[in-house]
Amino acid sequence: DAGVTQSPTHLIKTRGQQVTLRCSPKSGHDTVSWYQQALGQGPQFIFQYYEEEERQRGNFPDRFSGHQFPNYSSELNVNALLLGDSALYLCASSLGQIGNTIYFGEGSWLTVV
Amino acid sequence: QKEVEQNSGPLSVPEGAIASLNCTYSDRGSQSFFWYRQYSGKSPELIMFIYSNGDKEDGRFTAQLNKASQYVSLLIRDSQPSDSATYLCAVKGTGGFKTIFGAGTRLFVKA
Repeated sequence: DAGVTQSPTHLIKTRGQQVTLRCSPKSGHDTVSWYQQALGQGPQFIFQYYEEEERQRGNFPDRFSGHQFPNYSSELNVNALLLGDSALYLCASSLGQIGNTIYFGEGSWLTVV
Repeated sequence: QKEVEQNSGPLSVPEGAIASLNCTYSDRGSQSFFWYRQYSGKSPELIMFIYSNGDKEDGRFTAQLNKASQYVSLLIRDSQPSDSATYLCAVKGTGGFKTIFGAGTRLFVKA
């Protein structure tokens, strides 16, 4: 049973650049949520995708955007990177529009220099 | 007021003791409650979930929910050094789409 997979695992970007992170949900899941976790903090909700649409968004600027593909995989894009965007980016998948339990991937560690 | 609040710790307990982790939430309409464990440098992994008032046991773990007090707790019996991690309380609020996390409580189990 394939779990949630994310890529890349680690990456370093320069301020002002753009980054794309990728996620494949757990087998059988159709909903993808993205979270940002800064050091010492809990995961912060960025947005959720279901049926290729953004269903709900957290308090993140428009520099953060996403996409969900017909096979349920998803991308998170961050434009005009700031030093403060350095964090662990977590993808979580669940089943259904209001599926209860979310399962996380291993995350993508982003460092902005 | 934060949506989900946890004592950041660290909470230190001796091996074999009971560790008690607590969490409060602000949305009275919340229906689903979760505990995740996160080892340093790793992603969160689900320990258990609870939907109804009362206790739910799974092995050495017991989750307790009191919706009237807006309070969730996790008890870890016979704590082991391998239980040393950050424990995240999470709540799915009214509307049901997003899961909201607390900042986590760091637990240290001393051998």
